[in-house]
Amino acid sequence: GAGVSQSPSNKVTEKGKDVELRCDPISGHTALYWYRQSLGQGLEFLIYFQGNSAPDKSGLPSDRFSAERTGGSVSTLTIQRTQQEDSAVYLCASSLLRGRDNYGYTFGSGTRLTVV
Amino acid sequence: AQSVSQHNHHVILSEAASLELGCNYSYGGTVNLFWYVQYPGQHLQLLLKYFSGDPLVKGIKGFEAEFIKSKFSFNLRKPSVQWSDTAEYFCAVNDEKKGGKLIFGQGTELSVKP
Repeated sequence: GAGVSQSPSNKVTEKGKDVELRCDPISGHTALYWYRQSLGQGLEFLIYFQGNSAPDKSGLPSDRFSAERTGGSVSTLTIQRTQQEDSAVYLCASSLLRGRDNYGYTFGSGTRLTVV
Repeated sequence: AQSVSQHNHHVILSEAASLELGCNYSYGGTVNLFWYVQYPGQHLQLLLKYFSGDPLVKGIKGFEAEFIKSKFSFNLRKPSVQWSDTAEYFCAVNDEKKGGKLIFGQGTELSVKP
């Protein structure tokens, strides 16, 4: 597609429920990233995919968080047993990596998750 | 651990004033450097990036940034701001040995008064 697409754009869920957030990256971008942006905070790295593998998942806050990517394209971030502190905007980005050069991210519009 | 520091949390300027937003990073290896902007209600967009070569990088909308390796800095500048520059600005660093992962600063909110 022309840009990075995320769905849903907004999600309100009850504490304890599971949620799935979806990201569809730019066609041809092999790298995909998930970040979290909380009110007044910067961007917190969660996980990074190169193809279908995740070389760096060091930012996942707990084992309630998981992510997968299939076909080198769409990625799903799953949060199990949601807590109120999970409320944030979850951002997905994709990029073209060529050798050592990162050409910069293209971000999606994000999913605003509210846990009530 | 690698980190990025943006010194100013909130900057308020009048139109036509000059802008400089500070960014320092803590990593001593070879890095790629970026500035992103988030306008109110919009998603993050790339302003400019530095890989190598000329340390003065020009981006969109009249912005530029200078990489000073000895100071581990990548400050963003604009000679004359406009009301439409009101946004949040994020500096980011990529350690080229660690794939594409970017480390972001906390962001600087810029408010331009008309």
